[in-house]
Amino acid sequence: DTGVSQDPRHKITKRGQNVTFRCDPISEHNRLYWYRQTLGQGPEFLTYFQNEAQLEKSRLLSDRFSAERPKGSFSTLEIQRTEQGDSAMYLCASSLGRRGPYGYTFGSGTRLTVV
Amino acid sequence: AQTVTQSQPEMSVQEAETVTLSCTYDTSENNYYLFWYKQPPSRQMILVIRQEAYKQQNATENRFSVNFQKAAKSFSLKISDSQLGDTAMYFCAFVDTGANSKLTFGKGITLSVRP
Repeated sequence: DTGVSQDPRHKITKRGQNVTFRCDPISEHNRLYWYRQTLGQGPEFLTYFQNEAQLEKSRLLSDRFSAERPKGSFSTLEIQRTEQGDSAMYLCASSLGRRGPYGYTFGSGTRLTVV
Repeated sequence: AQTVTQSQPEMSVQEAETVTLSCTYDTSENNYYLFWYKQPPSRQMILVIRQEAYKQQNATENRFSVNFQKAAKSFSLKISDSQLGDTAMYFCAFVDTGANSKLTFGKGITLSVRP
């Protein structure tokens, strides 16, 4: 297992288009998180899955955003009708969910630019 | 809601010197974890050091150590013998031991190590 993989690394899209990002977590990790990071800021929580169940969504996640994690493996994050304000780095992280050391592993992120 | 504050946007240190990065947080929780993450330019976020709130002893990982003051809600990172490879953004982060274990990040600090 080589860690958390995110695809694509970079995405440039025109305003109004739909985009989809993929995250492949570490295989034995049952928890998966999506964060958004704008330039010069810390990551902000978007949503969280335990196995295939989406257990929490931030109010940052407008109706144009949807995330799935079918079968509790990889996850996708879709943004519909993109806006310039959606330009950011989208980070995925996974962890083995239990009360304990909270060993999160982050992916390298998908950098989205909306033009 | 938890908040994490990093008030220093940038710091610079000479190679081989020691530098301290500051972080304060606010929470009503009693059981939680604190982290320092490193994000090199265009690279993924990696864990530097982790502190469990119920442990009074400050965590240490090689050249990295923390000064955890629970009553003051302060969590600073000391980097000894700074190396050029330490140049990166550093984020302080918090997680409580609740169900969703989502991380709350500070805004980060850009550390530059000068040769």
